[in-house]
Parts: sequence; structure tokens; C-alpha cells
Amino acid sequence: DTEVTQTPKHLVMGMTNKKSLKCEQHMGHRAMYWYKQKAKKPPELMFVYSYEKLSINESVPSRFSPECPNSSLLNLHLHALQPEDSALYLCASSQVGAREDEQYFGPGTRLTVT
Amino acid sequence: AQSVTQLGSHVSVSEGALVLLRCNYSSSVPPYLFWYVQYPNQGLQLLLKYTSAATLVKGINGFEAEFKKSETSFHLTKPSAHMSDAAEYFCAVRRPFYNQGGKLIFGQGTELSVKP
Repeated sequence: DTEVTQTPKHLVMGMTNKKSLKCEQHMGHRAMYWYKQKAKKPPELMFVYSYEKLSINESVPSRFSPECPNSSLLNLHLHALQPEDSALYLCASSQVGAREDEQYFGPGTRLTVT
Repeated sequence: AQSVTQLGSHVSVSEGALVLLRCNYSSSVPPYLFWYVQYPNQGLQLLLKYTSAATLVKGINGFEAEFKKSETSFHLTKPSAHMSDAAEYFCAVRRPFYNQGGKLIFGQGTELSVKP
């Protein structure tokens, strides 16, 4: 199974709401990633988890809060977002350590902040 | 620092014609290069990757890429375009784990259109 799943597929939230994005993989990967992608742009890394510990935070605003409860799950908690946070949020996973190993991407969550 | 540059934000070809999408890299060490494809409203799918085992790399859906160190290039080609190839294509280089978490650095992307 080489699939990364993400829920929900679409999410509309107001600026005062709290919501969460969920990502799951069962490939035994110990590195998991959150990327943000704006329209017509490449994905930009937000966070990296390695062995369930946060290893990289690309200076992401605190209104985005990642969580890795176990080796298969990755969450992104959202609070007090701004309209400019509307984007496609992609989760990915990979093996740890070998740069030649590819990252497997989920289908993404399309987030709209109103 | 390692990076990639994709020449041409939009490429249009006729069905059956050669597809050539350009990617140049900048790296002082052997790079690990990837081509991903993204269909509308979907995630990214790996087409192929270069890992120094072979300079000509074959991928899925009939795509291939050739690593040319002298030209610092890793261009993506397909002999005959299909309508289903219309998508966004990203070239990417992967950073080391020990200090950058193994993150992918993407080029700006090239949108491929295929005309009937």
C-alpha cells in the first residue's frame, strides 16, 4: 500500500473557527511532511516530523499547529486563520535518512478561509 | 545551496509530438533530483528520480529524463504526447535529512497543454 490519505478533501472555515486536517499512511514511513500550495505555485514546506518528533518548522505562524500522535498519523490544527491561508494543504511521507527515497503525497485538503 | 530552475512556465504541444520540459539544477554536491506530476485538484505523483545509478532514467507513463552533469540539467522528455499528459510538472531536489529534514525544493513548475 503506497497511499497517503488526507481528510477532509475540502474545508471552508471562518477566521474564528478551529479545525483540523488529518493525514494517514501505512507504509512504515517515519518522516512526515506538511506542505502548503497556492494556486499556480509549487508546494512550500511547512513542517517535518521525523520519528514522531518535530524536526523542521519553516517559520510557520502559530495559528498552524502540527501534531504527530503516532507513526502513521499527522494532524494540522488550524485556529484563527486569515483569508491568505486559503490554499491546498498537502501531506507527504517518506523513509528517514536516504535522500534518494521519494516522498509520497496525499491528494491534499483544499482549504478556504472566509 | 541546492536549487532547481524550470525554464518555461507553460509548454504547449500537439498530440503525438515530442514533450520536452526543462530543468536545471544548482548544486555543489551530487544532487538527488525528482520529477513530479500534478493533475488538476490532485496531489503530486512521482514520475521518476535520479540517484546517480544511471544517467538516463525511465519513469512512468512513458516519460524519461537524462542527467547531464556538464549542463547541470535533468530535462524530462516523452516521445509522443497524449491528451492525458496535460498537467503541471515539477522538478525538485531533495535536501539532506541531517540539517534540513529531507525536504523537497521545487522548481516553479511547468504547465503542459496538449492540443488535439
